[in-house]
Amino acid sequence: AQSVTQLGSHVSVSEGALVLLRCNYSSSVPPYLFWYVQYPNQGLQLLLKYTTGATLVKGINGFEAEFKKSETSFHLTKPSAHMSDAAEYFCAVFSPGGADGLTFGKGTHLIIQP
Amino acid sequence: GAVVSQHPSWVICKSGTSVKIECRSLDFQATTMFWYRQFPKQSLMLMATSNEGSKATYEQGVEKDKFLINHASLTLSTLTVTSAHPEDSSFYICSASLLAGRQETQYFGPGTRLLVL
Repeated sequence: AQSVTQLGSHVSVSEGALVLLRCNYSSSVPPYLFWYVQYPNQGLQLLLKYTTGATLVKGINGFEAEFKKSETSFHLTKPSAHMSDAAEYFCAVFSPGGADGLTFGKGTHLIIQP
Repeated sequence: GAVVSQHPSWVICKSGTSVKIECRSLDFQATTMFWYRQFPKQSLMLMATSNEGSKATYEQGVEKDKFLINHASLTLSTLTVTSAHPEDSSFYICSASLLAGRQETQYFGPGTRLLVL
C-alpha cells in the first residue's frame, strides 16, 4: 500500500518569499514521486517528477523538489513566489510494479499575498 | 469530507468490446469533472474536461469518438472506451471539482484499471 500526506491544506506566502510545500509518502518499494499544479477551472499539470537518479529535481516555473529517502519526503520549493503561482498543488506517489496507480495527497492551496 | 467514487475498480474485457467507467461525487455536486489516464510507470495525462450538460473538452491527441464522455448530472460522469484494444489498457482516474465560495478543490476518485485482452 502507498499513501501521501500533504501538511497544510492552505499555505500563504508573500510575493518574493520562499515557497515550501510539504509532502511525505509511504511506499513498500522505491517510489516514483510527482508534484502537480492545478489552476482554477483547469486540469492537472505536471510540475516535476522523481523516478530514479538525482534526488534534486527541477521542474517548470522555477519549482524544484528533493527526494529524501531517510525522511520519506518530497517537499516542493521555489525561492521567490510570484502572484501567478497561486494555485492548488498535489503531491502523488506511484509504486513501480505494484497494483495501485497514482495515489494523490489531498492538495495544498497556495496563496500569494502582495 | 467530499468523496469521489469510481466503478468498476477493475475491468477485464475482450478486444473490440466497449467498457463504461462511472465517476460519482457522493456527497457534493461537481461543477466540473476531469478524466485522466496513467500510462505504465508514467505520470497522469489529462484526457478531457467535462461540464454537466455540455460536451466534454478533449485534450489534443485524445480521440473523442473513442473515449465518449457523458456528464448527465452534477454527480455523475461516465467514460466509455469504445471498441477497446490492448493499447487502451491503462489506469483511468477521474476528479471532481467542488466550488465553495471562491475556492475550488479537486477530489480524486480511486481509479479504474482496465485490461484489454
